[in-house]
Amino acid sequence: NAGVTQTPKFRILKIGQSMTLQCAQDMNHNYMYWYRQDPGMGLKLIYYSVGAGITDKGEVPNGYNVSRSTTEDFPLRLELAAPSQTSVYFCASSPVSSAGELFFGEGSRLTVL
Amino acid sequence: AQSVTQLDSQVPVFEEAPVELRCNYSSSVSVYLFWYVQYPNQGLQLLLKYLSGSTLVKGINGFEAEFNKSQTSFHLRKPSVHISDTAEYFCAVTTMDSNYQLIWGAGTKLIIKP
Repeated sequence: NAGVTQTPKFRILKIGQSMTLQCAQDMNHNYMYWYRQDPGMGLKLIYYSVGAGITDKGEVPNGYNVSRSTTEDFPLRLELAAPSQTSVYFCASSPVSSAGELFFGEGSRLTVL
Repeated sequence: AQSVTQLDSQVPVFEEAPVELRCNYSSSVSVYLFWYVQYPNQGLQLLLKYLSGSTLVKGINGFEAEFNKSQTSFHLRKPSVHISDTAEYFCAVTTMDSNYQLIWGAGTKLIIKP
């Protein structure tokens, strides 16, 4: 059982480049999330989705975009990368019936130079 | 609005010694509380959760936590730690009226000394 799969695991971008972080889950979870993790700062919610076709902003959405065309996939798009977007990005999912119990991917470490 | 404070950024402890990782929260409504663990270079996984009922909650790997409403705390404890417990531990809170969005603490790194 793969759970939540994120690709790529590592990426280096130049300032101004764009890229998409992929996230897929095979647990048929309705809720999906993107977080960024910076040292000493905990996790900050970027975007989340409660089902296919429905997305909403989290705490730190600026500079990012998402889409949710299927239940399984929730890609995160970075447009015009900036050094402030250097971070570790985590995708997570949860079933509707769960109150706060999230299943996480292994993370994608992004460096913007 | 809710908030979570993890009082220690790092906790060093000798192997086989007991440990307590502290977590305090603030909220004006009833809360659900969680501890997650992140092993080096991995994603987070749920350690334990408090939704309702008994205030002493047992989780995986011998960890437990106690919900104290009067002190707005949810401290994590283990009576005897092992090298394999080396990880970062995150406390999180959510409420029904926030659509179960988690608010996270900054994390506590547990450092096990041999």
